[in-house]
Amino acid sequence: DQQVKQNSPSLSVQEGRISILNCDYTNSMFDYFLWYKKYPAEGPTFLISISSIKDKNEDGRFTVFLNKSAKHLSLHIVPSQPGDSAVYFCAASGGNNNDMRFGAGTRLTVKP
Amino acid sequence: GAGVSQSPSNKVTEKGKDVELRCDPISGHTALYWYRQSLGQGLEFLIYFQGNSAPDKSGLPSDRFSAERTGGSVSTLTIQRTQQEDSAVYLCASSQTPGTGYEQYFGPGTRLTVT
Repeated sequence: DQQVKQNSPSLSVQEGRISILNCDYTNSMFDYFLWYKKYPAEGPTFLISISSIKDKNEDGRFTVFLNKSAKHLSLHIVPSQPGDSAVYFCAASGGNNNDMRFGAGTRLTVKP
Repeated sequence: GAGVSQSPSNKVTEKGKDVELRCDPISGHTALYWYRQSLGQGLEFLIYFQGNSAPDKSGLPSDRFSAERTGGSVSTLTIQRTQQEDSAVYLCASSQTPGTGYEQYFGPGTRLTVT
């Protein structure tokens, strides 16, 4: 069962504009959410996280928003840069699980 | 400092053969995870080690898959009698502590191709 879903496999944005990547989850026990960024031939790297006690976390150009009632989170990148082009994975953990559930990823392309 | 390393980076094997994939976690990290990413899919949890506790094997897809972690450090994922559907990138990650509020550090992965 896919507990974390990223329904957009790809997203293309013009440099300087905002990129919005979306993620939905089904398990209400999840209480910690992360975004990872992955370049080709490299492992994912941690980008930003948010706990369920917050609804927003900001780090420079990256902001993650959490809507617990909708079981939805999003990653905003503004302004987008060509170097942001990568696959972005949403992940969630919590409850009694020690493992982390990942979405299928969204490939972001930022065009110069 | 050194990150998570994995070997080999690429492995091509014939159907029915056994393969071993290795992971060297970051020194001092007590938690170690194995994931795999099949083409077009997300990261699929396989197995989790925490210190000397019994591993959480709930994600292993079949009894052909096994993993061990020696001395609380290096881990080996073994796939016996490989099948074509085992073809994927196998990723290892480690973290300082398990549970919420942590981040995992990933290795570069091993791309396994079963012909």
